[in-house]
Amino acid sequence: DVKVTQSSRYLVKRTGEKVFLECVQDMDHENMFWYRQDPGLGLRLIYFSYDVKMKEKGDIPEGYSVSREKKERFSLILESASTNQTSMYLCASSLWSLGSLNTEAFFGQGTRLTVV
Amino acid sequence: DAKTTQPNSMESNEEEPVHLPCNHSTISGTDYIHWYRQLPSQGPEYVIHGLTSNVNNRMASLAIAEDRKSSTLILHRATLRDAAVYYCIRRNQGGKLIFGQGTELSVKP
Repeated sequence: DVKVTQSSRYLVKRTGEKVFLECVQDMDHENMFWYRQDPGLGLRLIYFSYDVKMKEKGDIPEGYSVSREKKERFSLILESASTNQTSMYLCASSLWSLGSLNTEAFFGQGTRLTVV
Repeated sequence: DAKTTQPNSMESNEEEPVHLPCNHSTISGTDYIHWYRQLPSQGPEYVIHGLTSNVNNRMASLAIAEDRKSSTLILHRATLRDAAVYYCIRRNQGGKLIFGQGTELSVKP
C-alpha cells in the first residue's frame, strides 16, 4: 500500500515562528504536492514538485516555501507564520512520466495548523 | 490554470443512482479528468479518471462529453458511506492537480 505520511496531525504555533511541515512518501513517486484546505474554498495548491529539487508555484505560494532534497520527502515551510495561515494542510504524491498523466495521487491525512 | 465548475451540493437517496456533473469548458486536449472524493476528517481519495472515452471501475463510472467540456461521475447505487465531497479535477501536462470547490453529496436513508 502506498503511504503518504505527514509528520503531525495537529500543530499549534505562534505568530512569527518558522514552521516546517514534513511529508514523506514510500512509493518512489516523482510528483509531490502541498495543498491547503479552508471551509468553502476547497483545496488550493500551494506548491508542486515534479522531481527532486524541482518545484513550481501553485495558486497561493505567498508566505510559503518548499524543499525537496530527496525524492521521498517534501517539506512545506512557513517562513514567518501568521494567523491567516491557520488551516488544514494536505500533502499528496503520485507517479508521473510523459504519457502517464492518468496515474492517481495519494494523499496524507492532513496537518491541522493553528497559528496563535 | 482554469478550474472546473461543480454544483456546491447535491442530495441523493440510498440505493439510487447519483449523477455528479462537472464543467471544464477550457480543458486542453491533453488534460486528463480526474475525480476524487473526501470523506469527513480524511484526505481525498482517488475515484476514477479519463481522457476521452467513458470509463468504469468498481467505484463509479465516468461519462465524458464528446467535446470534453463536461463530464459526469456516476455512482450506480449510492450508500450512506458515499456521503462526501466530490472533486472534479483537471490534470495538466506538467502533472499538476488543480482542484475546484467540489460537490458535497449527502445520502438520505
